[in-house]
Amino acid sequence: DAKTTQPTSMDCAEGRAANLPCNHSTISGNEYVYWYRQIHSQGPQYIIHGLKNNETNEMASLIITEDRKSSTLILPHATLRDTAVYYCIVRVAPGAGSYQLTFGKGTKLSVIP
Amino acid sequence: NAGVTQTPKFRILKIGQSMTLQCTQDMNHNYMYWYRQDPGMGLKLIYYSVGAGITDKGEVPNGYNVSRSTTEDFPLRLELAAPSQTSVYFCASSSPEGITGELFFGEGSRLTVL
Repeated sequence: DAKTTQPTSMDCAEGRAANLPCNHSTISGNEYVYWYRQIHSQGPQYIIHGLKNNETNEMASLIITEDRKSSTLILPHATLRDTAVYYCIVRVAPGAGSYQLTFGKGTKLSVIP
Repeated sequence: NAGVTQTPKFRILKIGQSMTLQCTQDMNHNYMYWYRQDPGMGLKLIYYSVGAGITDKGEVPNGYNVSRSTTEDFPLRLELAAPSQTSVYFCASSSPEGITGELFFGEGSRLTVL
């Protein structure tokens, strides 16, 4: 799986959009970008994933650049409960033979009141 | 629906002792995983299983053993505990047929070896 690079930490004011960047310059054509978050040492929680197109769900939006070498997770209206470590992970599609998720250190997002 | 359940939540072991971390899931997922997380670090895969009777090593398997006799259960065995195994252990499961391929994690088991 391709390696990812994320900032160590970020702050965001409550109610503002949180934009979390991720670089994955060695991503392959069949690899997806996944985002998970881990709140206060709980088990990681899936947020969103995408291949080429931008994606949106009830939790967040995922913007992937046209060359797919980087992406941004957007939390549109950050709340204090969004304070967590966010992991950007690149992996092949489910069922494609790779069963591992490689978690880096992620980005520690602190939402400030 | 309980999801992924891990026991115990906390445990203190002495060096050289052995123990089993239990993990069970009620989502009928074929894939199950064990990760460990050291302070300030990301998760590292210890072992995984793609179905009952099938297990394989992950990134950091040394000092651990697993078995998968049923779809629901995936226990992790620590033999001869060492201080380096002090960590938080997470069990997870996923379905190969799932649309998102997401992993569902348990709440973790915090192990201290003294």
